[in-house]
Amino acid sequence: DGGITQSPKYLFRKEGQNVTLSCEQNLNHDAMYWYRQDPGQGLRLIYYSQIVNDFQKGDIAEGYSVSREKKESFPLTVTSAQKNPTAFYLCASSIGGSGSPLHFGNGTRLTVT
Amino acid sequence: EDQVTQSPEALRLQEGESSSLNCSYTVSGLRGLFWYRQDPGKGPEFLFTLYSAGEEKEKERLKATLTKKESFLHITAPKPEDSATYLCAVQGPSGGTSYGKLTFGQGTILTVHP
Repeated sequence: DGGITQSPKYLFRKEGQNVTLSCEQNLNHDAMYWYRQDPGQGLRLIYYSQIVNDFQKGDIAEGYSVSREKKESFPLTVTSAQKNPTAFYLCASSIGGSGSPLHFGNGTRLTVT
Repeated sequence: EDQVTQSPEALRLQEGESSSLNCSYTVSGLRGLFWYRQDPGKGPEFLFTLYSAGEEKEKERLKATLTKKESFLHITAPKPEDSATYLCAVQGPSGGTSYGKLTFGQGTILTVHP
């Protein structure tokens, strides 16, 4: 079955450590996205990529970094510069273009203490 | 700036009690309005895309409609398994890139009691 796989499901880190969240898709989608979800808030865009080796900052990119070396993979690194890293992180992909829906993975819940 | 407001924040229904969820939006040039269902601890599941006022889409007990200012998600004779958070998002113009930014609402938490 085609889909988006995020791993791990739960992640615990100490403050000051960088951590990388994995996202893999086998939908052959060109575009991939990272969102952050916090209680009581709408999803907020961190980074997106429309094509391999290219990516753009979203609304809340500070303290995060990404890479897009393969079409299937779009890992997100949460750096120690991110002030409030504890959140539910969602990866998504789409075929790209106007009006195409996003398809989401099942998320990674990151807790930083 | 694009805005999406969903109401109510939470809705409790009895099984079989039909109702509607509202998504009010402001966007300069709508490219698409999306409805998603999200279960606790899971990612959002795509339900519908609506592109222009007057359009309607149906899937089982769900029907989505669109006007120039809002969208409704009608739930007919809901069952307990329909309990979830329902998210609405709008896509505006790309502003010179091929990406049209999605703006999400905060969601409506639906609980259906047996």
